[in-house]
Amino acid sequence: DGGITQSPKYLFRKEGQNVTLSCEQNLNHDAMYWYRQDPGQGLRLIYYSQIVNDFQKGDIAEGYSVSREKKESFPLTVTSAQKNPTAFYLCASTHRETGELFFGEGSRLTVL
Amino acid sequence: GEDVEQSLFLSVREGDSSVINCTYTDSSSTYLYWYKQEPGAGLQLLTYIFSNMDMKQDQRLTVLLNKKDKHLSLRIADTQTGDSAIYFCADPAGGTSYGKLTFGQGTILTVHP
Repeated sequence: DGGITQSPKYLFRKEGQNVTLSCEQNLNHDAMYWYRQDPGQGLRLIYYSQIVNDFQKGDIAEGYSVSREKKESFPLTVTSAQKNPTAFYLCASTHRETGELFFGEGSRLTVL
Repeated sequence: GEDVEQSLFLSVREGDSSVINCTYTDSSSTYLYWYKQEPGAGLQLLTYIFSNMDMKQDQRLTVLLNKKDKHLSLRIADTQTGDSAIYFCADPAGGTSYGKLTFGQGTILTVHP
């Protein structure tokens, strides 16, 4: 089955530690995205990538980093510079022609 | 920048109709979207409407678009307990990057038996 796989689903980390969230898709989509979700605030775009080896900052990129070495993979690192990292993180991808976003099941990060 | 607004909560009885409202500020988008999120899961595309349409019906779902007032609504007929979820409207905001959507805050729909 085609889809987007995010891992881990739940992650607990201590303050000051970097964490990396995995996102893999087998939909052959060109573009991939990372969104952050906080209660009552909708989704906010962190980073996006339209093609391998290229990515752009979204609205709230500070404290995050990404890489896009393969078409299928778009990992997100939450660095210690992110002031309030506890959130639900959603990865998505989209086909160039339809524009429909397909989402993974999300990763919930809790910083203790 | 683009702003998309939704009311946060809606509570209805099973069998009634639900209407979820959304206002947006960018009028240049080709599509406007409705996504559904079940607890602890990602979002799924529910339906969308082309900006040159006023209405779209898909089984129990009716989308109304008022371009003059920049108002979008989603009506769910015969609402069921399985419809309880968070509903997001989303606008590409005229962007050239596919999937770079601006989302509303989400409306939490609660359906009571």
